[in-house]
Amino acid sequence: QVQLQESGPGLVKPSETLSLTCTISGGSISSYYWSWIRQSPGKGLEWIGYIYYSGSTNYNPSLKSRVTISFDTSKNQFSLKLSSVTAADTAVYYCARVSSQYSHDYWAQGTLVTVSS
Amino acid sequence: EIVLTQSPGTLSLSPGERATLSCRASQSVSSSYLAWYQQKPGQAPRLLIYGASSRATGIPDRFSGSGSGTDFTLTISRLEAEDFAVYYCQQYGSSPAVTFGGGTKVEI
Repeated sequence: QVQLQESGPGLVKPSETLSLTCTISGGSISSYYWSWIRQSPGKGLEWIGYIYYSGSTNYNPSLKSRVTISFDTSKNQFSLKLSSVTAADTAVYYCARVSSQYSHDYWAQGTLVTVSS
Repeated sequence: EIVLTQSPGTLSLSPGERATLSCRASQSVSSSYLAWYQQKPGQAPRLLIYGASSRATGIPDRFSGSGSGTDFTLTISRLEAEDFAVYYCQQYGSSPAVTFGGGTKVEI
């Protein structure tokens, strides 16, 4: 059973960089894409980007200038960095596996990141 | 960008009733790349349907998906208490590669 677990600070100051890590267990990272998705309080879902196990990435154009997603295959982890954050980046951040026909079949429980001084 | 519009915003129904949720795309979406999710308060979304009509592992057969082109539907044949939640559609395609609809809340 694949399990995903996010980790990282729950509070980030404005203009700083948000950094989160997703640890994958119970399954292979190979041959899959891995996504970051966020949900602002009381709002819908916004896809941030994904990374393929080979390291290739695809980002949401609305965030592309501020986003970096990377892999640490030795640790079965992938990470999100979002720079120059503002209050608008306050959200629950999810990592998820991209599976059949680009659906997301496994999700982490989500971590709330608040941007505030 | 393909915009997914879900309707209605809220659906008020009773257990045992049939729920029909709509997801309309601003441009044609490959039916291979249309998915539906269920989200309950405080939980991550759960995959229900992928490829417009294929049920994900462990999803009861009262959930079904249909549609093509720009119009897709999620049907819950007989609502059970645990089905009251928010439902999202998602497409994969043109940039951005992944977009979600705004959600439909199914409430009692």
